Amino acid sequence: SQQGEEDPQALSIQEGENATMNCSYKTSINNLQWYRQNSGRGLVHLILIRSNEREKHSGRLRVTLDTSKKSSSLLITASRAADTASYFCEDNFNKFYFGSGTKLNVKP
Amino acid sequence: ETGVTQTPRHLVMGMTNKKSLKCEQHLGHNAMYWYKQSAKKPLELMFVYNFKEQTENNSVPSRFSPECPNSSHLFLHLHTLQPEDSALYLCASSHGLAGGARTGELFFGEGSRLTVL
Repeated sequence: SQQGEEDPQALSIQEGENATMNCSYKTSINNLQWYRQNSGRGLVHLILIRSNEREKHSGRLRVTLDTSKKSSSLLITASRAADTASYFCEDNFNKFYFGSGTKLNVKP
Repeated sequence: ETGVTQTPRHLVMGMTNKKSLKCEQHLGHNAMYWYKQSAKKPLELMFVYNFKEQTENNSVPSRFSPECPNSSHLFLHLHTLQPEDSALYLCASSHGLAGGARTGELFFGEGSRLTVL
């Protein structure tokens, strides 16, 4: 397939724990982006990491990029119930395609 | 509030109806997109418009007809739909594309939930 693929498909954790989700892509990228989608709502952009960056932070979010493995990971630290959502990666090089996402459930 | 507004938020229509979905962005962007999100399926890109010109049509059936009268507005005209077309339709916008490529993020609307009876 053309799109980035997220792994795992579903993740259930307790509030306060860290959540890690991964994304693999097929070809070279210009940059890679992570989005969050609350159930039945639009996607919200979280963070962009460029192909020449290896790690990026934004609040409780940490994104890493390994271009040699064509993979990225999103870490959410000290998770909250409000983090319950689906998370998607998107690599611009493949023109706007998304994977199936990781469905994160944070239990209070 | 993302700056991208979709109306209506919910729509129920019969298979013989004609309806339209509307998307408006107030972000000064020049590229707009339609995506379809069905239950348990990945987001499907449908159409891309760049500076009002259609640049992508992802093999979408002709019962879906997009229209982009200017860079701020995007419509999806619906005609003779099937029950399997029931889905969440998401509009997005971004800075204009250069050489077909985008360098920044997508801004999404809240979606129009379509049910076809």
